[in-house]
Amino acid sequence: DTAVSQTPKYLVTQMGNDKSIKCEQNLGHDTMYWYKQDSKKFLKIMFSYNNKELIINETVPNRFSPKSPDKAHLNLHINSLELGDSAVYFCASSHSGGAHEQYFGPGTRLTVT
Amino acid sequence: AQSVSQHNHHVILSEAASLELGCNYSYGGTVNLFWYVQYPGQHLQLLLKYFSGDPLVKGIKGFEAEFIKSKFSFNLRKPSVQWSDTAEYFCAVNAHSNYQLIWGAGTKLIIKP
Repeated sequence: DTAVSQTPKYLVTQMGNDKSIKCEQNLGHDTMYWYKQDSKKFLKIMFSYNNKELIINETVPNRFSPKSPDKAHLNLHINSLELGDSAVYFCASSHSGGAHEQYFGPGTRLTVT
Repeated sequence: AQSVSQHNHHVILSEAASLELGCNYSYGGTVNLFWYVQYPGQHLQLLLKYFSGDPLVKGIKGFEAEFIKSKFSFNLRKPSVQWSDTAEYFCAVNAHSNYQLIWGAGTKLIIKP
């Protein structure tokens, strides 16, 4: 019974394409996040939604657009993919506020060729 | 700006050795502190967390961490490591009620059998 799930797990695509990654959580959390982990394992927060409202919007290219249709889902759409977008993208969720741990999905390994 | 520093980027130990991974943060207010672990090819999982109370917290798999407020530190310890502890370890901090976690760069721990 997966708590935070992401699809797809692997994504190989060519430069210039548009792709989406989906995330769903069944933990009843109201806050969801997207992280990017580069090849050196450095974690960078990209976006966060609380009750479908964008609350964290870090400096990422406009080509990245999150969308939260409801509290249990947070999708990431990427336009005009570039080589530098290759990374592992993790979705996470938590209850509101900082005093709650974040639960992570299995990650989506994106490779742009 | 808040930051988290993990002093050791790579640590190599033999089985049964004792482990201490350093984590220091820069923030003057009340904080929540976390250690996450990422096993090879897997997602991040919470090892332990500190919100308040006893500064010595115990987590899963025999790990513990001590919050020393005067030193702005939250070091992770394990008295006797196992080969299965080989993983990447991340320290993370946020201010109370702040959604955004500030992450350290991670420490890659390799345990030699």
